[in-house]
Amino acid sequence: ETGVTQSPTHLIKTRGQQVTLRCSSQSGHNTVSWYQQALGQGPQFIFQYYREEENGRGNFPPRFSGLQFPNYSSELNVNALELDDSALYLCASSSGLARKQVEQFFGPGTRLTVL
Amino acid sequence: GEDVEQSLFLSVREGDSSVINCTYTDSSSTYLYWYKQEPGAGLQLLTYIFSNMDMKQDQRLTVLLNKKDKHLSLRIADTQTGDSAIYFCAESPNNAGNMLTFGGGTRLMVKP
Repeated sequence: ETGVTQSPTHLIKTRGQQVTLRCSSQSGHNTVSWYQQALGQGPQFIFQYYREEENGRGNFPPRFSGLQFPNYSSELNVNALELDDSALYLCASSSGLARKQVEQFFGPGTRLTVL
Repeated sequence: GEDVEQSLFLSVREGDSSVINCTYTDSSSTYLYWYKQEPGAGLQLLTYIFSNMDMKQDQRLTVLLNKKDKHLSLRIADTQTGDSAIYFCAESPNNAGNMLTFGGGTRLMVKP
């Protein structure tokens, strides 16, 4: 059983650019959540995808968008990057809502630096 | 809205017990979690407790939940240097699936 993987590990962008981060969920998991963790803070929920549909969103602007694919992998896209978008972006997978699966397993994260 | 608070820092000696505390405000919280984060790494799920439980024990870890006071604690018995990390408390609201609200984290330092 493979765990949650994320790519790339590190990324450097400049203000105004766009970025795509990728996540492969743990085998058997159909729900993916994305979190932003600024330096020295706890993770903040961005949004969640369940069976390719967005299933809840945190307090993030529309320039943060996502996708989930039929194999349940996911992308996080951020447009018009701002300096404050510099953070560790974490992806978490779980087995879905119907069984009230409570365990979310996190990937190692993508460290995004915006200059 | 939901709010989860933790103290910033805890220092203990190797072999002692560590107790990390957390308070939350959302009375509809269904599950409460403890995650561990080592430097440069993602989050590792340590344990969680359902809101109708008072205590859960898992090897060296004991979770206590006081639902009346909205207080959660994590006790680590026989703390080792490998336990040095940041510990996050998180809660999952009853009506929001698996969406987690995290505290700011407690940095645990274990001295040899």
